[in-house]
Amino acid sequence: NAGVTQTPKFQVLKTGQSMTLQCAQDMNHEYMSWYRQDPGMGLRLIHYSVGAGITDQGEVPNGYNVSRSTTEDFPLRLLSAAPSQTSVYFCASSRQRSYGYTFGSGTRLTVV
Amino acid sequence: KNQVEQSPQSLIILEGKNCTLQCNYTVSPFSNLRWYKQDTGRGPVSLTIMTFSENTKSNGRYTATLDADTKQSSLHITASQLSDSASYICVVTTRNSGNTPLVFGKGTRLSVIA
Repeated sequence: NAGVTQTPKFQVLKTGQSMTLQCAQDMNHEYMSWYRQDPGMGLRLIHYSVGAGITDQGEVPNGYNVSRSTTEDFPLRLLSAAPSQTSVYFCASSRQRSYGYTFGSGTRLTVV
Repeated sequence: KNQVEQSPQSLIILEGKNCTLQCNYTVSPFSNLRWYKQDTGRGPVSLTIMTFSENTKSNGRYTATLDADTKQSSLHITASQLSDSASYICVVTTRNSGNTPLVFGKGTRLSVIA
């Protein structure tokens, strides 16, 4: 009963470094998505995928890349970290885009 | 523009008391509305989902209401417990085919104190 698993839970990066946030789900959900949560703001969609091999941009995609080679995994890549990317990142999955979402426990990222 | 507004931003209540959180939305076309509970350091967890035809739905001590005419929803918490301390997020789903079918409110931060 793992649900949605995110790793790492915490990460500190220097400006310009790259890294990958991992997300895996074991519910055979087709839809997966990445959000960022900043103080005083609602969750904002970064990228999403409606199935293996298919990804698309959300409302704040700049500076992030994604891929979906399997149904289970949906990693988020920061190509060149910037302080503006300091945030808490959540991965979520669902049977379909408008169904209920299961969220991971989040990755708190700090870029210095 | 599709928006979800929640009030109050934060709330402090004594253990055992009731409280009501509000959600107003301008999302169209409407599909459903969910309330999520987010504990500190955790991801949001769904409490209730309401479709256009539903007025009230309960989940234990949580009761959500929906008025689709006025585009308002409320979440009522009865006999609050310390474990109810969390952020409560209202999320409205649209029926459009765009890439952002979910519109998130900023949440209400509830603190229950002994």
